[in-house]
Amino acid sequence: SQQGEEDPQALSIQEGENATMNCSYKTSINNLQWYRQNSGRGLVHLILIRSNEREKHSGRLRVTLDTSKKSSSLLITASRAADTASYFCATESLGGGSYIPTFGRGTSLIVHP
Amino acid sequence: KAGVTQTPRYLIKTRGQQVTLSCSPISGHRSVSWYQQTPGQGLQFLFEYFSETQRNKGNFPGRFSGRQFSNSRSEMNVSTLELGDSALYLCASSTGTSGTDTQYFGPGTRLTVL
Repeated sequence: SQQGEEDPQALSIQEGENATMNCSYKTSINNLQWYRQNSGRGLVHLILIRSNEREKHSGRLRVTLDTSKKSSSLLITASRAADTASYFCATESLGGGSYIPTFGRGTSLIVHP
Repeated sequence: KAGVTQTPRYLIKTRGQQVTLSCSPISGHRSVSWYQQTPGQGLQFLFEYFSETQRNKGNFPGRFSGRQFSNSRSEMNVSTLELGDSALYLCASSTGTSGTDTQYFGPGTRLTVL
């Protein structure tokens, strides 16, 4: 079963607008990561937020984490056509001495030029 | 530094055959993880190898196996292929030494089973 679930499943916006996607998870986490995937290719790591952090920024990306609600959000400001991709959150559970990331099904973002 | 490479990029097989996929991690990375991605099930963890030992395993049947060599390169094997094995298979490498390791993904091998 998926630990993280993204919402919405699909998002379509115009260039310059902000895009917000959410991730909910079920069990306690060590950290939460966001990844981007273009056109069925490999995933690219965007940002990691630890369980004791509430907000983190990286360029046009802003991630928040609310452990009481077991949710995280990814905000992309001033979106560009190149941001068109699927975005996944991944939570980690401890197993076998290392952390196994569990991915949600992703949010498909389309940014229209 | 060269990124994670996977070979082949595309593969077409028929039911009942077996297949071997290869992954070369980033130089210095000792952990290699494998994932299966399908439209229906999303991204699912197969297994992780660290220093030639399987350290973690996902919930997949025994037809899925892997190994890691002393140079950290890894192979994944699927025997007796089924139609449902059609998927994008991704490998990811990391240093494997920290609970907050960043995983670097390869471009994937797209397997089609006919």
